[in-house]
Amino acid sequence: DTAVSQTPKYLVTQMGNDKSIKCEQNLGHDTMYWYKQDSKKFLKIMFSYNNKELIINETVPNRFSPKSPDKAHLNLHINSLELGDSAVYFCASSQYSLETQYFGPGTRLLVL
Amino acid sequence: GQQVMQIPQYQHVQEGEDFTTYCNSSTTLSNIQWYKQRPGGHPVFLIQLVKSGEVKKQKRLTFQFGEAKKNSSLHITATQTTDVGTYFCAGLGGSQGNLIFGKGTKLSVKP
Repeated sequence: DTAVSQTPKYLVTQMGNDKSIKCEQNLGHDTMYWYKQDSKKFLKIMFSYNNKELIINETVPNRFSPKSPDKAHLNLHINSLELGDSAVYFCASSQYSLETQYFGPGTRLLVL
Repeated sequence: GQQVMQIPQYQHVQEGEDFTTYCNSSTTLSNIQWYKQRPGGHPVFLIQLVKSGEVKKQKRLTFQFGEAKKNSSLHITATQTTDVGTYFCAGLGGSQGNLIFGKGTKLSVKP
């Protein structure tokens, strides 16, 4: 069983479209995260949720909106996609915010 | 804001040579974590160091946490082709207490 899963794995779309990425963890963790990894491999946190509540919201355009329907799921919706949004988006989870993070396989987003 | 700097950015070694990556923080860290990301893969947790001066070993990998808890290193003895990937350190910090990742060291190993 995959501990942290993301769908889709690949996403190719046109500029201006709206898209969503889904994440689910079956580890029973309380905290979930979204990271963006650019072409230079820099990993930058975007959001963190603890028990469905937003606890970290780094400087991210408001076109990005996370939603956590329950503590096992954290989805990411992106409006009006731009070329610069092309990256790999990783979902991760941890038991507490300071603990080991378990990453999903990533969603490779390409905006044309 | 807090920064976690990692050097070198790239390292190319011959199989069997040793490899070290260094991580430095602008502030004291409560802990430091190390992750490995294989090409095309996702970051995978390797280890966490908490105590000042702590040294931990995993087979050919040796992890150190500095006495001042502001720096850390990962040393691989006798590299193998399976060691290829990007190694990230991550320290607790940030404006909201999140993990700050270093920019990673990409290791390539020539057989």
